[in-house]
Amino acid sequence: TQLLEQSPQFLSIQEGENLTVYCNSSSVFSSLQWYRQEPGEGPVLLVTVVTGGEVKKLKRLTFQFGDARKDSSLHITAAQTGDTGLYLCAGRRYGGSQGNLIFGKGTKLSVKP
Amino acid sequence: DTGVSQDPRHKITKRGQNVTFRCDPISEHNRLYWYRQTLGQGPEFLTYFQNEAQLEKSRLLSDRFSAERPKGSFSTLEIQRTEQGDSAMYLCASSQLNTEAFFGQGTRLTVV
Repeated sequence: TQLLEQSPQFLSIQEGENLTVYCNSSSVFSSLQWYRQEPGEGPVLLVTVVTGGEVKKLKRLTFQFGDARKDSSLHITAAQTGDTGLYLCAGRRYGGSQGNLIFGKGTKLSVKP
Repeated sequence: DTGVSQDPRHKITKRGQNVTFRCDPISEHNRLYWYRQTLGQGPEFLTYFQNEAQLEKSRLLSDRFSAERPKGSFSTLEIQRTEQGDSAMYLCASSQLNTEAFFGQGTRLTVV
């Protein structure tokens, strides 16, 4: 069983469209991080959310942490071809090993011109 | 600081050979992590160090795998008697305690 479930697994959209990807768990997390990864490269950190209900905006990207700290979402407005990549969420659980940053399987986004 | 650095970027080895990867973390970071990522999957935790102490190892880290961080700075991950199933991207990350982790570009291992 995957501790962090990401959905959808794949998403193919046209440039200019909006999209939302989700990261869900039955466990509570002290923080959640979102990364973007391109083929053959390491994940690049986009944002960290730590407070339940927190919303963070990074240009066209909006990140939200659920009130119960069990889930998060990433919304992209007016997607561009440069947004193409694998979006990963990762978190540290309360009560678990604080060293173990747990990852979801990711959402593979393809933005077509 | 140039971020987390991993060497080599790519490694092709024959089954049964030993390989060693190196990771240089961000200089002020006291935690260093190793992950493995196979195609279509998110990174899977292998082990982490706080300074020179190895504090946790995953069940994925079989006895053929060993990681060290002798002086609390760079780390090495060695795989002995490689198998085809070891083919993957090996990622290193570093952080200051429980703050956000920053990743290197990874080492792509292919076992033929």
